[in-house]
Amino acid sequence: GQNIDQPTEMTATEGAIVQINCTYQTSGFNGLFWYQQHAGEAPTFLSYNVLDGLEEKGRFSSFLSRSKGYSYLLLKELQMKDSASYLCAVSPTDKLIFGTGTRLQVFP
Amino acid sequence: EAGVVQSPRYKIIEKKQPVAFWCNPISGHNTLYWYLQNLGQGPELLIRYENEEAVDDSQLPKDRFSAERLKGVDSTLKIQPAELGDSAVYLCASSLGAVRGAPYNEQFFGPGTRLTVL
Repeated sequence: GQNIDQPTEMTATEGAIVQINCTYQTSGFNGLFWYQQHAGEAPTFLSYNVLDGLEEKGRFSSFLSRSKGYSYLLLKELQMKDSASYLCAVSPTDKLIFGTGTRLQVFP
Repeated sequence: EAGVVQSPRYKIIEKKQPVAFWCNPISGHNTLYWYLQNLGQGPELLIRYENEEAVDDSQLPKDRFSAERLKGVDSTLKIQPAELGDSAVYLCASSLGAVRGAPYNEQFFGPGTRLTVL
């Protein structure tokens, strides 16, 4: 079966660093995506990993370990606008399986 | 460049009534997806189109849900009759599809239609 786990909620302080973890078990693997979704809005693409290691893009980085079925999204220098849900999604074949999302609240 | 357009943004209906959602994907995107998203959950795929062909509709409840993508561009998703449990956000997404040499197939989402069934 397909299973993707991530924490339901996290809180952090403005200016801090937060790491959102995602573990997965899927039949097949063609890559892992992270999407950001503000309340009432469309999910927007943040990052993609298919090889082990860290991908850095500005304040956001994403890490993948295929052998461990594990990824994390690292957000640095948190801003209030980073308050959103962060969705981990795995592509076992040519479609996406989403986790439930992690709702991040950033406090001043 | 315009993004994925969906209408209506909000819809309130009584149970047993029919409802339809419309999606206009990004120009040139051959692949179109319909997702259902319940509150506090991630999107779940209902159906995927490659041009006008439905290539994955295994998660579509075919007794009450139907979809079409005439001419391989716009798409409509219909529910008839609607049930209380259908209250959710219905997201449409589009992508270029698998492109040789492209590292990944990014999906672009529309703002969704929030359906409330009373």
